[in-house]
Amino acid sequence: AQKVTQAQTEISVVEKEDVTLDCVYETRDTTYYLFWYKQPPSGELVFLIRRNSFDEQNEISGRYSWNFQKSTSSFNFTITASQVVDSAVYFCALSEAAMGRQLTFGSGTQLTVLP
Amino acid sequence: DTGVSQDPRHKITKRGQNVTFRCDPISEHNRLYWYRQTLGQGPEFLTYFQNEAQLEKSRLLSDRFSAERPKGSFSTLEIQRTEQGDSAMYLCASSYRDRGTEAFFGQGTRLTVV
Repeated sequence: AQKVTQAQTEISVVEKEDVTLDCVYETRDTTYYLFWYKQPPSGELVFLIRRNSFDEQNEISGRYSWNFQKSTSSFNFTITASQVVDSAVYFCALSEAAMGRQLTFGSGTQLTVLP
Repeated sequence: DTGVSQDPRHKITKRGQNVTFRCDPISEHNRLYWYRQTLGQGPEFLTYFQNEAQLEKSRLLSDRFSAERPKGSFSTLEIQRTEQGDSAMYLCASSYRDRGTEAFFGQGTRLTVV
């Protein structure tokens, strides 16, 4: 069965610090997809990135970067030069190809960026 | 494209009452999902539709829960004889099957059973 673990329940940083959110996953499938979503206080889950299991290239989008390592089953998310607006709960999620594409979420990491 | 819309945003009901939530997906999306999120947890999958067909249901979806998607457009999620344990945020998401797997979520319906 698939599982996503986000061991960091809460993280606090001061504005402009870099912060990395950890995600470890378990799956028996060879084809799967990994995601990060952001949930601000308003409650709506905002899609950030999708990676498939065959593409281990790291990705950078502005201040966001993602490090995907199949050898350690990890898909970590780094925010560079954090800002107060980055404060939110961040969820890592997994979708197995055979499962109709529904998502299995981790329990989330509450990130607080202090001014 | 106005995004995924859910109604109502908040619902308070007495234990034992029935409630119904509505989700309007992004118009060209043919897949629609329901998730439940309790405080401090990630969303948990409940069920999904491809067009009007309900293709999968989670073990979490007890007999008191029913979902429909008539004509493959909007969807409703009904909970009968609500219990306090049903208090949660109910999230709807939609995606387009053939264009990748990212799902776009609505703002959710927060249910409180008193």
